[in-house]
Amino acid sequence: KNQVEQSPQSLIILEGKNCTLQCNYTVSPFSNLRWYKQDTGRGPVSLTIMTFSENTKSNGRYTATLDADTKQSSLHITASQLSDSASYICVVSANDYKLSFGAGTTVTVRA
Amino acid sequence: SAVISQKPSRDICQRGTSLTIQCQVDSQVTMMFWYRQQPGQSLTLIATANQGSEATYESGFVIDKFPISRPNLTFSTLTVSNMSPEDSSIYLCSVGTSGVSRDEQYFGPGTRLTVT
Repeated sequence: KNQVEQSPQSLIILEGKNCTLQCNYTVSPFSNLRWYKQDTGRGPVSLTIMTFSENTKSNGRYTATLDADTKQSSLHITASQLSDSASYICVVSANDYKLSFGAGTTVTVRA
Repeated sequence: SAVISQKPSRDICQRGTSLTIQCQVDSQVTMMFWYRQQPGQSLTLIATANQGSEATYESGFVIDKFPISRPNLTFSTLTVSNMSPEDSSIYLCSVGTSGVSRDEQYFGPGTRLTVT
C-alpha cells in the first residue's frame, strides 16, 4: 500500500525562527513529490514539485529537498512569518494523477 | 495556473437530504477530481469527473451516494446524497491538465459541509 508519513504532526515556532518538516513515503513507482500549504478553511496551494532527478527546490522562504534513494523529503521554512501558520501536506504521485497524501503537519507561528 | 471556484463555500444540512456542490474553472481542463477531507484528516480522492462519460470512482465511493456531472471542460458538480453526520467534511474540487505527472494539480477553496 502506498503510504506517506509526515512528522511532526504539529509544531509551534516563534516568528523569525526556522523549522523543518519531514516526509517519508513508500509510494512506488515514483513520479513526483509535492508540498502543499493549506490555510484553515482554504484549499491546498502548491509550494514545490520535484521529480526523481531533483533533490532541492526553493520557493521564496520555502526549500524542499528530496532523497529518492531513501524515499525522504523535507520542507524547510526560513525566517518564519505569522502567515506561515497553516497545514503543510506532502503529496506523492505514483502515476499521472493518482496522488498519495500525507496527513499534514500543522505549523503555528507565534509572535 | 487555474482559478477554481466552488459553491456553496459552506452549508449546514439535515440528515437524509442531498446537497449539490458546484465547481467552476476559469479555463478548459482535461482532468477534474473530487476529494473529501474529513476533520483532522488529509485528502481522499472520491472520483475523477470525466467529460462526456460517467465518473470513475475510487474504492469505497459509489455513484448512488456521490453522483457527479461533468457537462463541459470547465464545470462539474458533486452531489452528496441521503446525508448522514459521517458525511460532514470539506469537499474539494481539483483540476489538472493532461500529462499531469509533471504538471500541477490545482485545488478549489473547498465546501465545508456539516450534517446535523
